[in-house]
Amino acid sequence: EVQLLESGGGLVQPGGSLRLSCAASGFTFSNYAMSWVRQAPGKGLEWVSTIGGSGGGKYYADSVRGRFTISRDNSKNTLYLQMNSLRAEDTAVYYCAKENIVVVTGNNWFDPWGQGTLVTVSS
Amino acid sequence: QSVLTQPPSASGTPGQRVTIFCSGSSSNIGSNTVNWYQQLPGTAPKLLIHSNNQRPSGVPDRFSGSKSGTSASLAISGLQSEDEADYYCAAWDDSLNGPWVFGGGTKLTVL
Repeated sequence: EVQLLESGGGLVQPGGSLRLSCAASGFTFSNYAMSWVRQAPGKGLEWVSTIGGSGGGKYYADSVRGRFTISRDNSKNTLYLQMNSLRAEDTAVYYCAKENIVVVTGNNWFDPWGQGTLVTVSS
Repeated sequence: QSVLTQPPSASGTPGQRVTIFCSGSSSNIGSNTVNWYQQLPGTAPKLLIHSNNQRPSGVPDRFSGSKSGTSASLAISGLQSEDEADYYCAAWDDSLNGPWVFGGGTKLTVL
């Protein structure tokens, strides 16, 4: 069974840093791109960042570019999100998700999603 | 402001058919496939439809998706109380918006 388990969330002051982790199991981790998607309290889903299976091909939303860094350790089957210069508007539940793709068509989608980890930025 | 546009709410009575629409542009829905996610209260999103109209195993055939031009829709037939949830459309975006864009979500209420 494919499983994703996030950790590392918590309360942090504005301007502070936090590193989220996502432990993956049940699939060949290095074969798949992985993403972070967040959801502010009472709000919708917002894509944050994506990284290719080999660790290349990193993409960021404008709202986090220059402050957040996505990375992965394929030997540990773990995805990371280093968050620096945190702001109140970064307060959200952060989900990691596995990106599935059909190579011949290019169709891709997120499945599954982890249970999420809450990041609260407040003084 | 989400790149993909969904109505904030929808409702129906048990047994009814409800359709949720998602509007985008040529850089996302117009040139890539659409996925739909269901988020039950207090839980993580779950894949409902991928590649415009493909149901993962385990998803009831009451759920169906379609796409035309720069719009997509999710139809739920035989509405059940357990369908009450938030529904999000998403697509890959070829412009600087992306690569992934989501709709703002539609809260479905079963009356």
